[in-house]
Amino acid sequence: DSGVTQTPKHLITATGQRVTLRCSPRSGDLSVYWYQQSLDQGLQFLIQYYNGEERAKGNILERFSAQQFPDLHSELNLSSLELGDSALYFCASSSSVGTGFIGEAFFGQGTRLTVV
Amino acid sequence: AQTVTQSQPEMSVQEAETVTLSCTYDTSESNYYLFWYKQPPSRQMILVIRQEAYKQQNATENRFSVNFQKAAKSFSLKISDSQLGDTAMYFCAFMKRSGAGSYQLTFGKGTKLSVIP
Repeated sequence: DSGVTQTPKHLITATGQRVTLRCSPRSGDLSVYWYQQSLDQGLQFLIQYYNGEERAKGNILERFSAQQFPDLHSELNLSSLELGDSALYFCASSSSVGTGFIGEAFFGQGTRLTVV
Repeated sequence: AQTVTQSQPEMSVQEAETVTLSCTYDTSESNYYLFWYKQPPSRQMILVIRQEAYKQQNATENRFSVNFQKAAKSFSLKISDSQLGDTAMYFCAFMKRSGAGSYQLTFGKGTKLSVIP
C-alpha cells in the first residue's frame, strides 16, 4: 500500500459527460501529480500541484482541470468526454521538507476510465 | 524541458539470467533524482530503485542495480537472476526541483520486459 488513495477505481461513462477523479496523497505530502496512461502507452504528465498551487502543466487538454484543496486532496475534472479519453489516470504524491531530499513519488492504484 | 529516453521498447531474458535496461536523459540541472519504476500487469506503479545525482555510488536493491553515468546522462538498470515476477513494463523517471519545495517528475516511454521460463 503506497498510502495514496484514488477513487473511484473504475468509472464507465458516456461521451459528452463530465467526471471527477479524486486523489488523497500520503499523509504530509504536499505535491500531487496527475498522469494519464492510455493502453500500452507511457505516462503522460497532466498537471502538478504543490500545497494548493498549480506548479506545472503538461499535455493537459482544456476540457480537463484540476485543483488541490486545503486538506491537500486533489481532484481531476474531465468534461465533454470523448472515446479517446479512456485511460488509466494515476495520481502520485511526494513529500517536501524545506530544501531537503524529498524521496520518490508514490503512486495510487489509478482510476480506470472507460468512455462509451 | 527535461526528456527521458528509453531506447528499448521491448526486451526478453531467460529466467535466472541478467538483463540491462537503458535510459538516457537530458538536463542542464546538476541536482536531480532518477528512478526506475516497475508496472506489472496489475498496472500498479512500483518503485524499484532510486539514485540521487549528487551521489557517485551506484544504487543497489537486492537483485536490482543501476549504472549511473552523470557525465553521459545515462542511468541503466541491471536485473540479476531474473525471475518470472520481473515481467513488467519498466519506466525510467527523472525528478528535479521546480520551485520552492516542489519537484517535476518526467517519465520515459517504458521498456516491456518479458522473463522467459
